Amino acid sequence: GAVVSQHPSRVICKSGTSVKIECRSLDFQATTMFWYRQFPKKSLMLMATSNEGSKATYEQGVEKDKFLINHASLTLSTLTVTSAHPEDSSFYICSAVILAEGTDTQYFGPGTRLTVL
Amino acid sequence: EDKVVQSPLSLVVHEGDTVTLNCSYEVTNFRSLLWYKQEKKAPTFLFMLTSSGIEKKSGRLSSILDKKELFSILNITATQTGDSAVYLCAVKAVQGAQKLVFGQGTRLTINP
Repeated sequence: GAVVSQHPSRVICKSGTSVKIECRSLDFQATTMFWYRQFPKKSLMLMATSNEGSKATYEQGVEKDKFLINHASLTLSTLTVTSAHPEDSSFYICSAVILAEGTDTQYFGPGTRLTVL
Repeated sequence: EDKVVQSPLSLVVHEGDTVTLNCSYEVTNFRSLLWYKQEKKAPTFLFMLTSSGIEKKSGRLSSILDKKELFSILNITATQTGDSAVYLCAVKAVQGAQKLVFGQGTRLTINP
């Protein structure tokens, strides 16, 4: 149980385009999902907290107009990187907390590697 | 500002050795500490610790939390090459949503 998927696993796009990344909880419901970004050999940096049915909460320094988050259902959150720039190239990981469990354990998706040319 | 610091940042040992990874934290309103293992992709959950002095164990891995000294250790005994990974420590504070603050990670390499 507690499987989180991400799609796509890898994407290459041109500067100026927008890219959408999906995060799904496959076998559980999650009111809260998190989006992280990880640079090579660095730790995970929280970008935003995604709550089902409400606006995402962004961490300081993360542009909400650039990184659009939508959490339309209890099993799906999407991150859209708008007007992508080479500096946005990174590994993006989502995680979810099991609604019924009520614990602090976050289950992570396999990540999406974004390369902006 | 909440802070999690792991040490060492990198560790190379031989198969069969025992290793101890450290995690110290400064967090307002501490709630829990979690350990994750990250290989090539996303982190996989290892342990969650909320109470001091109670060891959690899973096979050759074990972990314990000291809330007085604000640190945790992760032990791996009889290491195997498959234990090579980055080990991440994360702490959750009570305030706000259930967000985690991660340490920098310890890159562990087990040589045959």
